[in-house]
Amino acid sequence: AQSVSQHNHHVILSEAASLELGCNYSYGGTVNLFWYVQYPGQHLQLLLKYFSGDPLVKGIKGFEAEFIKSKFSFNLRKPSVQWSDTAEYFCAVNGNQAGTALIFGKGTTLSVSS
Amino acid sequence: EAGVVQSPRYKIIEKKQPVAFWCNPISGHNTLYWYRQNLGQGPELLIRYENEEAVDDSQLPKDRFSAERLKGVDSTLKIQPAELGDSAVYLCASTVGLAGEQFFGPGTRLTVL
Repeated sequence: AQSVSQHNHHVILSEAASLELGCNYSYGGTVNLFWYVQYPGQHLQLLLKYFSGDPLVKGIKGFEAEFIKSKFSFNLRKPSVQWSDTAEYFCAVNGNQAGTALIFGKGTTLSVSS
Repeated sequence: EAGVVQSPRYKIIEKKQPVAFWCNPISGHNTLYWYRQNLGQGPELLIRYENEEAVDDSQLPKDRFSAERLKGVDSTLKIQPAELGDSAVYLCASTVGLAGEQFFGPGTRLTVL
């Protein structure tokens, strides 16, 4: 079955701490991988995406993620978090056919204290 | 460029009542999705449209849910009658071509009492 697993439900960090959020997926065939973020009171927006090529992808606001095909993983990282990174983060996957629906993980709530 | 528009933003109804949600995707986006997000969960697909055709409605509970996208632009999702378990956020998203990125609207938060 197609699924996405996010290892951490709630992460609490102090400002300037490093962040890594785990994501593993189960999906047959070639995949596209995404991290979406939802800031408090706002809608889901794309943080970064991987379609092909360099497995290390960089997104907005200093976030990056690494696709490790052998581990079916797409972990999100940021070397130094800010209070404004407080949000809910969702990992998602779909097939590489145009328009395929996304399968989301349950999300990780990140709380950053100043 | 305007984003995906949804209305209403919030809706509170009593069980067994009907309810409808409206979505206007980004101009030119031929693919439209309705997702449902339960509390503490990620969004899950209800239905996907390519232009006016529903190409994936396997997860839509067809006994009470219906959707339409008559002219291949805006879309309406309806629940009749609503049940307590339908309380959730209903999200609309759109995309175009092979771009891959789906753009999400703000969602409609439905509370069924």
